[in-house]
Amino acid sequence: DTGVSQDPRHKITKRGQNVTFRCDPISEHNRLYWYRQTLGQGPEFLTYFQNEAQLEKSRLLSDRFSAERPKGSFSTLEIQRTEQGDSAMYLCASSSIGTGDTQYFGPGTRLTVL
Amino acid sequence: KQEVTQIPAALSVPEGENLVLNCSFTDSAIYNLQWFRQDPGKGLTSLLLIQSSQREQTSGRLNASLDKSSGRSTLYIAASQPGDSATYLCAVYAGGFKTIFGAGTRLFVKA
Repeated sequence: DTGVSQDPRHKITKRGQNVTFRCDPISEHNRLYWYRQTLGQGPEFLTYFQNEAQLEKSRLLSDRFSAERPKGSFSTLEIQRTEQGDSAMYLCASSSIGTGDTQYFGPGTRLTVL
Repeated sequence: KQEVTQIPAALSVPEGENLVLNCSFTDSAIYNLQWFRQDPGKGLTSLLLIQSSQREQTSGRLNASLDKSSGRSTLYIAASQPGDSATYLCAVYAGGFKTIFGAGTRLFVKA
């Protein structure tokens, strides 16, 4: 069990560019979550995968955001045409029923949009 | 709509003091409640998870309780240490695959 990993840890981009983040969950976990966190706030739910199926997506998520989890393993979160308001920490978590659905978080990817 | 509130927003205590952090939620129909710790600029570390059928969970110096009927959970930290300084977050899973977080309590333990 090596924990949840995220790549990159930091990303600086210019407004209008596309960015993609990767999350590798704990290997035996079939549930994967993406969150966004801004300074002084708790994480805000973005989307949820069970295996490769995306079962829930926040209505707050604009069409510029898309997430995939091919083969039910790693996941990617893409933001198209980034805006300054997208600057935040993007967190990934994984869980399984076997662990009582305890969510284990990765270190996050900090995005700065200039 | 489920809302989660944490009080106080910030807390400063001397080392060795016992303390209680509070979390309230508006909809009692939850599946579980989880407490996390977050150090500055880092991800979240799970502390305790309480299933809806449970009343409390303990891990070391930490004890979390859950009262679904009143929409409240507390995290009790015994004999606080400077290393406990962090932001503590509670999160409610109410079905629909969404987890709702509070804004957190920033704790500072003075040596």
